[in-house]
Amino acid sequence: AQTVTQSQPEMSVQEAETVTLSCTYDTSESDYYLFWYKQPPSRQMILVIRQEAYKQQNATENRFSVNFQKAAKSFSLKISDSQLGDAAMYFCAQAADKIIFGKGTRLHILP
Amino acid sequence: DAGVTQSPTHLIKTRGQQVTLRCSPKSGHDTVSWYQQALGQGPQFIFQYYEEEERQRGNFPDRFSGHQFPNYSSELNVNALWLGDSALYLCASSLGGAGARSYEQYFGPGTRLTVT
Repeated sequence: AQTVTQSQPEMSVQEAETVTLSCTYDTSESDYYLFWYKQPPSRQMILVIRQEAYKQQNATENRFSVNFQKAAKSFSLKISDSQLGDAAMYFCAQAADKIIFGKGTRLHILP
Repeated sequence: DAGVTQSPTHLIKTRGQQVTLRCSPKSGHDTVSWYQQALGQGPQFIFQYYEEEERQRGNFPDRFSGHQFPNYSSELNVNALWLGDSALYLCASSLGGAGARSYEQYFGPGTRLTVT
C-alpha cells in the first residue's frame, strides 16, 4: 500500500534562515514520483518541486531543494533564505498508480 | 491563461440532499482529478477523468460520481449527503498520458461544502 507520512505538524523558522520539512513514504512500486505542494492561507495548492524516483540527482527549484533518499524512502524539502511568503501548509505527495498526500506541515515564518 | 476554476466557492446543504460541483481545467489540459480535503488534513483522491471516462478511483463510495464533458470540464456529484462530507473539494487538472507530466497537477481554489 502507498503511504505518505509527515511527522512535523507545525514548524517555525526565522526569516532568511533555512528550514527542512520531513517526509517518508512507502510503496511497492518501482516507478513513482514525489512532489511537494504548498497551500497558502488562500488555499490554492501550488506545485513546489517534483522528483522522479529513477533519478538519483536531487531536484532543485530556486530556493527549494529536496533530499531524496530512495533506500530510506525519505523525501525532505529544504527551503533556503525563508521569506514571509513561504508561510503555508506544505504537503508531500507520492504518485504511483494513484497520488497520495501526507497530512501536511504548517510552516510559520518569524519576522 | 486561465487557470483551474471551480464553482461555487461555498455551498451549504442539508443531510440527505444532493450536490453538484463544477470544474474547468487549465487551458490545454485534458485530465481532471477531484479531491476531498477535510479540515487539517491532506487532500484525498476521489477520482480522475480522462477522455470523458473515469480512469482511476480512490476509496470513496458510489454516492460520489462524476462526469467529464467534451470540453474537458468536469462535475462532481455527491448524493445522500452526510455530515462527514463537509470538506473543501479540490479539482486539479493535468495532461493525460503516462509519467510525471500526468501527475503535475494544477489545482483550483476549491469549493467549501458544509453539510448541516
